[in-house]
Amino acid sequence: EAGVVQSPRYKIIEKKQPVAFWCNPISGHNTLYWYLQNLGQGPELLIRYENEEAVDDSQLPKDRFSAERLKGVDSTLKIQPAELGDSAVYLCASSLGTAPFTDTQYFGPGTRLTVL
Amino acid sequence: DAKTTQPPSMDCAEGRAANLPCNHSTISGNEYVYWYRQIHSQGPQYIIHGLKNNETNEMASLIITEDRKSSTLILPHATLRDTAVYYCIVALVNDMRFGAGTRLTVKP
Repeated sequence: EAGVVQSPRYKIIEKKQPVAFWCNPISGHNTLYWYLQNLGQGPELLIRYENEEAVDDSQLPKDRFSAERLKGVDSTLKIQPAELGDSAVYLCASSLGTAPFTDTQYFGPGTRLTVL
Repeated sequence: DAKTTQPPSMDCAEGRAANLPCNHSTISGNEYVYWYRQIHSQGPQYIIHGLKNNETNEMASLIITEDRKSSTLILPHATLRDTAVYYCIVALVNDMRFGAGTRLTVKP
């Protein structure tokens, strides 16, 4: 079974430029998560989708970050414009979403963003 | 904020058991204890989780105290490939808050 797929794996951009990250969750997983991970710290949740609905986006900086999950499968996370402080690893995870008390999250490899 | 306390780092000799402690004194009755690990440059990898009872799978064992205020992850025979950051999380699956974890270094 294929795991969570993310692309690109690495991205280098100049500040004020836009950037987008793509995530394909495990087939059949209804819940999708985007996390941000700064160096030396644990992942921090940005947004959680249940199918195509964003049910928790309280930590998403909405002035420059946006996300979508069309048709409840793939998802895209966008930053526009990027700032130096956005340099981090962006992780996508998915879970079945049918059994919240026994389910588990499965993570992709992440996209490492460097903003110059 | 993370609801757990873990030592920042630990060492373990290859072939020996690695015992990683975690304190979670404010755990709620319906929150599970999850353990993930993150090997350098990879996404976090699920290891094991439990509610009240001790759990074992092919990767590790999870020992939860009777009052559920602490737990221990046991890697029975650590290998060099087990060198990673280990995260202990108490949550429902859709509300995980990662702390800084424990950096486990397995030494030859």
